[in-house]
Amino acid sequence: EPEVTQTPSHQVTQMGQEVILRCVPISNHLYFYWYRQILGQKVEFLVSFYNNEISEKSEIFDDQFSVERPDGSNFTLKIRSTKLEDSAMYFCASSEAPGQGLEKLFFGSGTQLSVL
Amino acid sequence: DAKTTQPPSMDCAEGRAANLPCNHSTISGNEYVYWYRQIHSQGPQYIIHGLKNNETNEMASLIITEDRKSSTLILPHATLRDTAVYYCIVRVVGSNYKLTFGKGTLLTVNP
Repeated sequence: EPEVTQTPSHQVTQMGQEVILRCVPISNHLYFYWYRQILGQKVEFLVSFYNNEISEKSEIFDDQFSVERPDGSNFTLKIRSTKLEDSAMYFCASSEAPGQGLEKLFFGSGTQLSVL
Repeated sequence: DAKTTQPPSMDCAEGRAANLPCNHSTISGNEYVYWYRQIHSQGPQYIIHGLKNNETNEMASLIITEDRKSSTLILPHATLRDTAVYYCIVRVVGSNYKLTFGKGTLLTVNP
């Protein structure tokens, strides 16, 4: 079965540093997402991306965050100046276009970000 | 999206059916019921979804009451690998597939 691939699986960074989390969505999918989960808490929506632009973002997704699909296969999440509270597991997801009858999100296995 | 209520935890014996309930009494006519699960901090995994008819796939069955105010996810023969947090999510189907996860039900399948 096709899968969403995320790299790296673990990322350790110093507070204030920039990090880029990478994802390769399923090839025929058109919608892309980032979610995060702080240890012991709920999975939280960050942003959705379609047709090379953000379609929706949450309050968490402030100016420190950005997303990009640089080359038609990768989907990245950048955090410009990391804070301690950004430590979390970050999940990338993708889904097919609406109306295809398969309205389900496929999630990657996550990147554990630790900000020291 | 309508709010859902799930028990925080449930136990099930291996090989038996696991029946996970979900209340969504404020569901509206155009909202679907989705079930996802998360195995030990892995990414959430889609299980099944439905509008008003009962649904079955290779993973599970979804039973939605006639008034649509509650539903039950059934894993017919639970295995140890089904131990996970199960999320019931209600949402309108449209161009945005944002999911709002609650706390879900931790299902523990015991040998």
